[in-house]
Amino acid sequence: DIQMTQSPSSLSASVGDRVTITCRASQTISRYLNWYQQKAGKAPKLLIYVASSLQSGVPSRFSGSGSGTDFTLTITSLQPEDFATYYCQQSYSPPRTFGQGTKLEIK
Amino acid sequence: QVQLVQSGGEVKKPGASVKVSCKASGYTFTTCGISWVRQAPGQGLEWMGWINPYTANTNYAQKLQGRVTMTTDTSTRTAYMELRSLRSDDTAVYYCARDYGGAITYFDYWGQGTLVTVSS
Repeated sequence: DIQMTQSPSSLSASVGDRVTITCRASQTISRYLNWYQQKAGKAPKLLIYVASSLQSGVPSRFSGSGSGTDFTLTITSLQPEDFATYYCQQSYSPPRTFGQGTKLEIK
Repeated sequence: QVQLVQSGGEVKKPGASVKVSCKASGYTFTTCGISWVRQAPGQGLEWMGWINPYTANTNYAQKLQGRVTMTTDTSTRTAYMELRSLRSDDTAVYYCARDYGGAITYFDYWGQGTLVTVSS
């Protein structure tokens, strides 16, 4: 199975900050990498697919990059509604593994 | 608009089975797969498996092989996930998600989640 490792596991930031979350795959996954946001008690929401494509309706302050084994999710100018947990997920081969999550908290 | 509506929460005893449903609307059901993802309390997301509603082909996570069965009823646009021989560590919120795409796939719509509690 392909292991997905996110860093950091948690992150404190302030409204208006720029934050970056990284995701590393245990083997190359080309650009088959998706990012999700999950708020407490809610289902995950797709943000980014195929490493850098912004899902319809997602604000442009979210962006993704990377290929191969290393990927990043960047949020510019954090808004109050962005404080949540973020997961990366590979769709290169089953099982479609997720990272362990990064909890973004208000400083 | 695309919607996935899941069945309500369940409480089961160890060793029992549970069957969760996921009713799709707003798109042609047979054009996208359905994946099931679960989340134990306070934990991360775990992909359980996938079904193609058109062919009924499935792919299950190895750790659940033999205990899980995913099916669909195309006449009612409903997907089902049955998990047998339940254990306490199967307590989780179970989500269905539309598995969009061909060679490149992603989960673009999710159900609201179904809490399954396994307790004696």
